[in-house]
Amino acid sequence: GDSVTQKEGLVTLTEGLPVMLNCTYQTIYSNAFLFWYVHYLNESPRLLLKSSTDNKRTEHQGFHATLHKSSSSFHLQKSSAQLSDSALYYCALSSNTNKVVFGTGTRLQVLP
Amino acid sequence: EAAVTQSPRNKVAVTGGKVTLSCNQTNNHNNMYWYRQDTGHGLRLIHYSYGAGSTEKGDIPDGYKASRPSQENFSLILELATPSQTSVYFCASGDAFRVQDTQYFGPGTRLLVL
Repeated sequence: GDSVTQKEGLVTLTEGLPVMLNCTYQTIYSNAFLFWYVHYLNESPRLLLKSSTDNKRTEHQGFHATLHKSSSSFHLQKSSAQLSDSALYYCALSSNTNKVVFGTGTRLQVLP
Repeated sequence: EAAVTQSPRNKVAVTGGKVTLSCNQTNNHNNMYWYRQDTGHGLRLIHYSYGAGSTEKGDIPDGYKASRPSQENFSLILELATPSQTSVYFCASGDAFRVQDTQYFGPGTRLLVL
């Protein structure tokens, strides 16, 4: 079945440094959508960005991700981390199975 | 903006007791979902629903029941709560089962089973 892997449980970095959160996935369906959801403390998880187009960069709120079907990856990046980016980030996959599969999440901790 | 609310926001229950978690959405979405969030496991799907009167098992349904009495409301029921069900529970709604659809989450219910 479908699966999503986020290898890093915690990423800690200093404000101003670039962010990269890794996401790889497995699915047999070619029309799958990949999502990044962000969960700030004391708020509801919400969509950050999504894509189904191979090799196309998707951007939102300073973050970007490019779906690479050849490597089954959808890494989340930002050029310069801010303290306010500290949150839990989920990579997720939706395919013809009619269910969204979430990764285990990566907690991003940005330090001053 | 999508609006999903959950009650209670915090709950302490005793082992063997019955717990009902409620979710309400005002988006007129057909689909609703219940997830639990645990460190190291992420968000895992417990039950979901296509519309009023329907419930479907998700990936971890054991020990849980669901009820969808109306378009707006979706409940998660723990008939005999156990300490392993201590977790944070999120309800979500979505327009339809299309692969590109976004899910809209509620604020979560923190459940502690003693």
